[in-house]
Amino acid sequence: QSVLTQPPSVSAAPGQKVTISCSGSSSNIGNNYVSWYQQLPGTAPKLLIYDNNKRPSGIPDRFSGSKSGTSATLGITGLQTGDEADYYCGTWDSSLSARYVFGTGTKVTVL
Amino acid sequence: QLQLQESGPGLVKPSETLSLTCTVSGGSISSSSYYWGWIRQPPGKGLEWIGSIYYSGSTYYNPSLKSRVTISVDTSKNQFSLKLSSVTAADTAVYYCARHSTDMTTVTTIDYWGQGTLVTVSS
Repeated sequence: QSVLTQPPSVSAAPGQKVTISCSGSSSNIGNNYVSWYQQLPGTAPKLLIYDNNKRPSGIPDRFSGSKSGTSATLGITGLQTGDEADYYCGTWDSSLSARYVFGTGTKVTVL
Repeated sequence: QLQLQESGPGLVKPSETLSLTCTVSGGSISSSSYYWGWIRQPPGKGLEWIGSIYYSGSTYYNPSLKSRVTISVDTSKNQFSLKLSSVTAADTAVYYCARHSTDMTTVTTIDYWGQGTLVTVSS
């Protein structure tokens, strides 16, 4: 099972804001960069946020990331129907079982 | 624009070896700041990181799969490959190849993904 915990689902009306939490530990989020990935239905994941809070070229500033201690948060403002997707956090885990780890995933529903 | 494309059989028999290749275009697999790796997603489930390789051949593997996984690189063809041995139905998944940014001690992010290919394990 994943070492990063996310809520299974969040929802809000168009134009509203949602936040998605990602909880880990000192061996992963606490000491490594966090990324966020968006997976639209039937498509490959797409990088949304990297290095905790940076957006790749072409990602609108409605998407934001933050990190505090062993938790990270993705924020989406001005929610649009096209934002309906699964969202995953990801980071390196530096424990004895070193590997890249993903969160459990969160389904965002636009009401 | 960097593009990655997976190729390989869509059906593998139980106990056999799953083999996939990822062809990279629009950039060199020998770039110094990147690893190249594989992620899978069982139908209806979340993402699982399999492992990654540097152009020099240095690898990281998910410890849960390490005994069955081999990732190799062919710089002359700008390709890298995945072999997963002794497969079972639990290995049925969409397999993605992807570029991994690195600070040379960790993977910092996964920034480019292939479209994915479904591999079904069944007799």
